[in-house]
Amino acid sequence: AQSVTQLGSHVSVSEGALVLLRCNYSSSVPPYLFWYVQYPNQGLQLLLKYTSAATLVKGINGFEAEFKKSETSFHLTKPSAHMSDAAEYFCAVSYSGGGADGLTFGKGTHLIIQP
Amino acid sequence: DTGVSQDPRHKITKRGQNVTFRCDPISEHNRLYWYRQTLGQGPEFLTYFQNEAQLEKSRLLSDRFSAERPKGSFSTLEIQRTEQGDSAMYLCASRFGQGKNTEAFFGQGTRLTVV
Repeated sequence: AQSVTQLGSHVSVSEGALVLLRCNYSSSVPPYLFWYVQYPNQGLQLLLKYTSAATLVKGINGFEAEFKKSETSFHLTKPSAHMSDAAEYFCAVSYSGGGADGLTFGKGTHLIIQP
Repeated sequence: DTGVSQDPRHKITKRGQNVTFRCDPISEHNRLYWYRQTLGQGPEFLTYFQNEAQLEKSRLLSDRFSAERPKGSFSTLEIQRTEQGDSAMYLCASRFGQGKNTEAFFGQGTRLTVV
């Protein structure tokens, strides 16, 4: 079964500091990987996705993620945190092969920005 | 394009009552998903429609849950004989086309509280 592990349920960084949110996936076939952001009492918004075209993926709001097959990772980064980045972040996976069509999500990482 | 809309946004019900939620996907999206999200967790897949056909159901979807998408447009999710464990955010998402690498667009969710 496909799965995603997000290391760290809470991450706290200072405003202006580097943001690093970790995501590892399990896979026996090529994955498609997604990062979503969720603000309180809202739905999820796509930040970026990896679909095998390029290993370094740039998304909205200055976020980017790098797909590393050898490490089965897809960590999310942003060079300089802004107060508006405070939210819940979810990594999700789907697979190119047959089988389930829905996304499998990690448990999420709550990003806290310290002023 | 008004995005995915869900109604109601909040629902409080007494244990044992039936509730029904509605989801209106983005109009040209043929695929529709229901997810459940409990506090501190990522969304968990419940069921998936392609047009009007319900193609996948999670084992999380007990026999008290039923979903329909009668004309391949809007969808309803009904929970019968609600239990306190049903308290959660119910998210609807829609996607265009067939690929597993396409973005899922999420609604703002319906928050259910069973008292």
